[in-house]
Amino acid sequence: DSGVTQTPKHLITATGQRVTLRCSPRSGDLSVYWYQQSLDQGLQFLIHYYNGEERAKGNILERFSAQQFPDLHSELNLSSLELGDSALYFCASSERGRPTNEKLFFGSGTQLSVL
Amino acid sequence: GQQLNQSPQSMFIQEGEDVSMNCTSSSIFNTWLWYKQDPGEGPVLLIALYKAGELTSNGRLTAQFGITRKDSFLNISASIPSDVGIYFCAGHGLGYGGSQGNLIFGKGTKLSVKP
Repeated sequence: DSGVTQTPKHLITATGQRVTLRCSPRSGDLSVYWYQQSLDQGLQFLIHYYNGEERAKGNILERFSAQQFPDLHSELNLSSLELGDSALYFCASSERGRPTNEKLFFGSGTQLSVL
Repeated sequence: GQQLNQSPQSMFIQEGEDVSMNCTSSSIFNTWLWYKQDPGEGPVLLIALYKAGELTSNGRLTAQFGITRKDSFLNISASIPSDVGIYFCAGHGLGYGGSQGNLIFGKGTKLSVKP
């Protein structure tokens, strides 16, 4: 158990809908990262938050947004869903705000299926 | 952008065999991490490498940070059935900001048992 908690484990929804994925980092970790894993693209970095502030953005679509709350949990919002958004979404956490030389610990992921 | 080439893509193992996989990049990385992912789970950190030339072991696993800082390898000695899974290399590049400096993943090496 990495200590990173993600809910829900599975999510099935329809195209055009909006969903929210939730992540609680390890106790004491201030950084939260979101990754998308698909069969053809592998693990792709989406966005990084540190202590409530956005620190870096990767290949995140404009239809996707995230935030980190004062209690350090984070939510990833996916809207106007398309079939191609079906993937595993992982949250990871680390202790500090600069990821270089940091170890990232991953949650078990949310499997999103868009039908 | 920065990319990692991981090979082989897949391999079959027989219990007791040694296994080798590697990761290369066209650009320099500051940190190399090796993760293992089991079905339905998130990546679990196996080994972290921080200095060029560093050789680190974790039980039967040994990983090295290449001298050029553009490659890393992972060896598994005397493999056992529970070694089956997908192994990912990941690296932190130079700089930070935007998508730079965040953890970039290889496409993975899938280890399966020889039929």
